[in-house]
Amino acid sequence: AQTIHQWPVAEIKAVGSPLSLGCTIKGKSSPNLYWYWQATGGTLQQLFYSITVGQVESVVQLNLSASRPKDDQFILSTEKLLLSHSGFYLCAWSLVGGLNTLYFGAGTRLSVL
Amino acid sequence: GDSVTQTEGQVALSEEDFLTIHCNYSASGYPALFWYVQYPGEGPQFLFRASRDKEKGSSRGFEATYDKGTTSFHLRKASVQESDSAVYYCALGADNTNTGKLTFGDGTVLTVKP
Repeated sequence: AQTIHQWPVAEIKAVGSPLSLGCTIKGKSSPNLYWYWQATGGTLQQLFYSITVGQVESVVQLNLSASRPKDDQFILSTEKLLLSHSGFYLCAWSLVGGLNTLYFGAGTRLSVL
Repeated sequence: GDSVTQTEGQVALSEEDFLTIHCNYSASGYPALFWYVQYPGEGPQFLFRASRDKEKGSSRGFEATYDKGTTSFHLRKASVQESDSAVYYCALGADNTNTGKLTFGDGTVLTVKP
């Protein structure tokens, strides 16, 4: 069975500080990977997607970047956090191909103060 | 652009009540439609999907039927339990070019009282 693990579970960071969030997928070879963001009490918005190692596409510009250094790993980062970065960050995977179901991880709660 | 509208922002029911959460969509082409459920502090869990007109998706007693004529995918459950309390999201996927982009509705908070 596929498992998706996100780390850390929660972060409290200062404005202007760097950030790195991670996600690992086990049990599925070469999945598509995604980062979504959810404001507190809000809906979900796609940030990035990746269909292969080393290739990441940005969907919205939020002063964030993403990388896929390994087939099963997806990293979200920024060098300088903004207050608006607060929220819930969700990693997801799907099978390769169009319109496949997304399966989400447990998320990372980020508070920027 | 694509959009999903969930009519009810909040629904409060008692156990064994019948549940309906309305979902209407706007998209070009033939989107796939999804329902997800999110419990506090967790990521959304996939409930089920439907990909063609009149197709019914179902899981855990919840069901919805894809209706292209009314552009709807309403979620229903005959008898809710307290454990069903959560946020429910309707979503559509209209981009079949491997982007994984889902457009989510604003969510419906379901509270079930014992």
